[in-house]
Amino acid sequence: DQQVKQNSPSLSVQEGRISILNCDYTNSMFDYFLWYKKYPAEGPTFLISISSIKDKNEDGRFTVFLNKSAKHLSLHIVPSQPGDSAVYFCAARGRGDSGGSNYKLTFGKGTLLTVNP
Amino acid sequence: GAVVSQHPSWVICKSGTSVKIECRSLDFQATTMFWYRQFPKQSLMLMATSNEGSKATYEQGVEKDKFLINHASLTLSTLTVTSAHPEDSSFYICSASRDRVNEQYFGPGTRLTVT
Repeated sequence: DQQVKQNSPSLSVQEGRISILNCDYTNSMFDYFLWYKKYPAEGPTFLISISSIKDKNEDGRFTVFLNKSAKHLSLHIVPSQPGDSAVYFCAARGRGDSGGSNYKLTFGKGTLLTVNP
Repeated sequence: GAVVSQHPSWVICKSGTSVKIECRSLDFQATTMFWYRQFPKQSLMLMATSNEGSKATYEQGVEKDKFLINHASLTLSTLTVTSAHPEDSSFYICSASRDRVNEQYFGPGTRLTVT
């Protein structure tokens, strides 16, 4: 049962235009959402996050929107640059299987973004 | 800052042997380290969470006796895949956190191939 879904495996955008990456989740107990960027043969790097009590967070060219009622979040990149080409993972924070004070991140499958010059 | 390394970056081993993967936080002390597994075109799946000096907490479905995790210091955690089989072939990624789980810094990953 996939609790975090990224339904678009890939997205191609022209340089300078907006990139919109989407993510849906099913667990209403998630309290924090993050976006990671991953290049081949490297580990994911943190990009931007949003608390479940907010609906928008902006950091430079990156903005994350959260729609709790729809259990949907999106990452907007504008303007897109060729260096943004990478796999983007959506992640959600929730309690670990063992309960207690442990939190864990649940990741989506990722979306490969290609920004064409 | 916040650099995490993994060693080896790739390893090929024969079925039945054990393989150890190291995860190090190079410029900070990691109170918590996480081990993930990723199959091709799949998401990162959390295997276990380890806190320095205590036993690791494993996710449901992950065999504790097969995937041994040791977090002996604030900068080093190891994952040992015991009696490896071809189905254990995967990409293993660790991450380290200073204190809050949402601030995880990931290593570059280790590609394990079991023949």
